[in-house]
Amino acid sequence: EAEVAQSPRYKITEKSQAVAFWCDPISGHATLYWYRQILGQGPELLVQFQDESVVDDSQLPKDRFSAERLKGVDSTLKIQPAELGDSAMYLCASSPGNSGANVLTFGAGSRLTVL
Amino acid sequence: AQTVTQSQPEMSVQEAETVTLSCTYDTSESDYYLFWYKQPPSRQMILVIRQEAYKQQNATENRFSVNFQKAAKSFSLKISDSQLGDAAMYFCALRSGEKVIFGPGTSLSVIP
Repeated sequence: EAEVAQSPRYKITEKSQAVAFWCDPISGHATLYWYRQILGQGPELLVQFQDESVVDDSQLPKDRFSAERLKGVDSTLKIQPAELGDSAMYLCASSPGNSGANVLTFGAGSRLTVL
Repeated sequence: AQTVTQSQPEMSVQEAETVTLSCTYDTSESDYYLFWYKQPPSRQMILVIRQEAYKQQNATENRFSVNFQKAAKSFSLKISDSQLGDAAMYFCALRSGEKVIFGPGTSLSVIP
């Protein structure tokens, strides 16, 4: 069964350091999402790609966060510098398209702890 | 603005019993979709059930069914014959246009 791959699964870093997360969506899925999930809360959309283009990054803290999907396939989410409040699970999801009944398939997530 | 609200942070149910999780939403769109996702302790989110807003018939998937009240903007999930494996966080989600937003979640415990 096709899966969304994410790495690393766990990352511990000190504040002010740089951190990067990688996501490889299901083959053929045009839409890719990065969500941040604080423990005990629902996922919050950070950025959404349609192929290589950003569709929505309105909630992405652009002073420290960046995301790219250069060839419209895999994607990287970077944080620099990391802050204590960035500790969370970073979830990647993909879907065949960006509308209608398209269901999101999630990866296992990358758990970030900032010390 | 679109919103999704889940008013029950925690719920519990006896094994083999039935439980209903509540969700209300708000959107100005006429075409939208609603979903329930399950996130077990291993943390990978999986789809439980989905509902097209234009369909009046409530969706069902085995032991899972929804009560979709469009006028009230309510979308509750009923789990019948609850099993230990149903213990998880449950998130209600709304897709309207390109965006998918999630509610804060309900933590479901299943008591043996």
